[in-house]
Amino acid sequence: DVQMTQSPSPLSASVGDRVTITCRASLNITNHLAWYQQKPGEVPERLVYAASTLQSGVPSRFSGSGSGTDFTLTISSLQPEDAATYYCQKYDVIPWTFGPGTKVEV
Amino acid sequence: QLQLVESGGGVVQPGGALRLSCAASGFTFRSYSMHWVRQAPGKGLEWLTNILYDGSNRDYAKSVKGRFTISRDNSKNTLYLQMNSLTVEDTAVYYCARGALAGTKGVGFASWGRGTLVTVSS
Repeated sequence: DVQMTQSPSPLSASVGDRVTITCRASLNITNHLAWYQQKPGEVPERLVYAASTLQSGVPSRFSGSGSGTDFTLTISSLQPEDAATYYCQKYDVIPWTFGPGTKVEV
Repeated sequence: QLQLVESGGGVVQPGGALRLSCAASGFTFRSYSMHWVRQAPGKGLEWLTNILYDGSNRDYAKSVKGRFTISRDNSKNTLYLQMNSLTVEDTAVYYCARGALAGTKGVGFASWGRGTLVTVSS
């Protein structure tokens, strides 16, 4: 099975900072990657799919990029409400494996 | 609006069994594949299993294969997860999530239930 890794974790940054989270797949998954945000006690929410397509309603400060094996989620200007754990997930073929998560502290 | 509501969680002894349900509404349930995902306390998300829209194919993570069974009743708009031979490592919140529309490729999970907690403890 394809393994997913994420870095860094955790990540501590200040309000207004540009933050980049990296996700790496052990094999080529083309662009079949989603990013999720999960705040404590809440259900995960999809932010990005197809590696770079922003989910409707997600603030434009979030963006995704990458293809193949290397992907990034960028928050252009970190806000207090962005404190959460971020997960990547591959969905090219079963299993739809998640990365281990990146906790972002603001 | 779209809703996924899990139920059936609770406390069970090691070696025991439990059946979870996920009641779907607000969309054409029979047209979508469905998945189960779990999250152990303080841990990350783990994909467990999926079932195609018509129940014709099911896949499982290695961690649950042979112990868990996914099924669905499209007449009741309900997804199930039968969990047998439970161990303390199965303690987690279990989420159901909507997968791909029949005939299309999935794009992850836009819709999740709120989850149901399963605690395996003696």
